[in-house]
Amino acid sequence: NAGVTQTPKFQVLKTGQSMTLQCAQDMNHEYMSWYRQDPGMGLRLIHYSVGAGITDQGEVPNGYNVSRSTTEDFPLRLLSAAPSQTSVYFCASSPGHPNQPQHFGDGTRLSIL
Amino acid sequence: KNEVEQSPQNLTAQEGEFITINCSYSVGISALHWLQQHPGGGIVSLFMLSSGKKKHGRLIATINIQEKHSSLHITASHPRDSAVYICAVYIPGNQFYFGTGTSLTVIP
Repeated sequence: NAGVTQTPKFQVLKTGQSMTLQCAQDMNHEYMSWYRQDPGMGLRLIHYSVGAGITDQGEVPNGYNVSRSTTEDFPLRLLSAAPSQTSVYFCASSPGHPNQPQHFGDGTRLSIL
Repeated sequence: KNEVEQSPQNLTAQEGEFITINCSYSVGISALHWLQQHPGGGIVSLFMLSSGKKKHGRLIATINIQEKHSSLHITASHPRDSAVYICAVYIPGNQFYFGTGTSLTVIP
């Protein structure tokens, strides 16, 4: 059972480039979310989804897009990377109602030059 | 603004010591979660609490809804407990808010 799989684990981008961080879960969880983790700050919610076809913004959504075409996948797109988006990104999922223990991916360390 | 405050930020303990990590929050919540982040970066959910107390092995978590406060206790601490412990609260409206974490180091 793979759980939550994030790819890539590391990525370096130049300012202005675009890329997609992949997140997949094999637990048939309805709720999925993306967080960023920055030094000295708690995890902050970027976007979340309560089911296929439904997405919503979190605390820090600017500069990011998401889609949820299937229950399993929840990719995060950086449209035009900026140095302020240098961070560690975590994808998480939980069954049904979001107020249940979350399963986290291993994270993607992203650097924007 | 910071809905979730943790203390202490850093904690060093000798193996075998009893450890307490505190979490205070400022808004009404549905539940509080304790997470563990290992040095390699992976995050694991330890507890979800909406009232009272939960115990899992050497870990005990308590919550006082009226006082908006939770504690995570580790009994008989061990070097493998060294990690960052994160408190998170779920606020109705599909939002989680996280504390900045408590970095615990247990010395043999």
